[in-house]
Amino acid sequence: GAVVSQHPSWVICKSGTSVKIECRSLDFQATTMFWYRQFPKKSLMLMATSNEGSKATYEQGVEKDKFLINHASLTLSTLTVTSAHPEDSSFYICSASQGYYGYTFGSGTRLTVV
Amino acid sequence: EDKVVQSPLSLVVHEGDTVTLNCSYEVTNFRSLLWYKQEKKAPTFLFMLTSSGIEKKSGRLSSILDKKELSSILNITATQTGDSAIYLCAVVGPRYSGAGSYQLTFGKGTKLSVIP
Repeated sequence: GAVVSQHPSWVICKSGTSVKIECRSLDFQATTMFWYRQFPKKSLMLMATSNEGSKATYEQGVEKDKFLINHASLTLSTLTVTSAHPEDSSFYICSASQGYYGYTFGSGTRLTVV
Repeated sequence: EDKVVQSPLSLVVHEGDTVTLNCSYEVTNFRSLLWYKQEKKAPTFLFMLTSSGIEKKSGRLSSILDKKELSSILNITATQTGDSAIYLCAVVGPRYSGAGSYQLTFGKGTKLSVIP
């Protein structure tokens, strides 16, 4: 149980275009989902906390107009990278909270902007 | 399907104790294993292990990978209350053979509580 599916697994897009990444909790309802960006030294940076039915809470330094987060249902959160640039190329991971201590992570999305 | 199993799920120890956290995996085309510590927000990277039998150390924390047994352990000696956290194990493998992407599979984590 407690599976989080993240799609796509990897995407290549042209500079200036937008890319949407989906994060779905398959067998549980997730009122809260988290979006992370992984940096080359393997550290994960929390970008934003997504709450179902309300606006996402962004971490300091993360541009909310660039990284649009929508959490329209209890099982789906999306991250849209708008007007992507090469510096946005990274590995993006979501996780979902089941309401107790644990977090379930998606398998990540490798974004390459050319 | 790739799988990472951590044990125990939860552990309560007294300050000064030594703990060993376990991570076992079934992953196609294993590349590396990562350990993270999660306290509040984003997990903090601890170790990356790629070679079997080579211990990595950082202060009171150490970790080793056993590719034969498909497992890794994370040791914490002389535990302190500040070590209380969820410890996550993640395994990296290519999503598809030859593809330019990799997949990160996380375990459920071990919740460590250190009491004074």
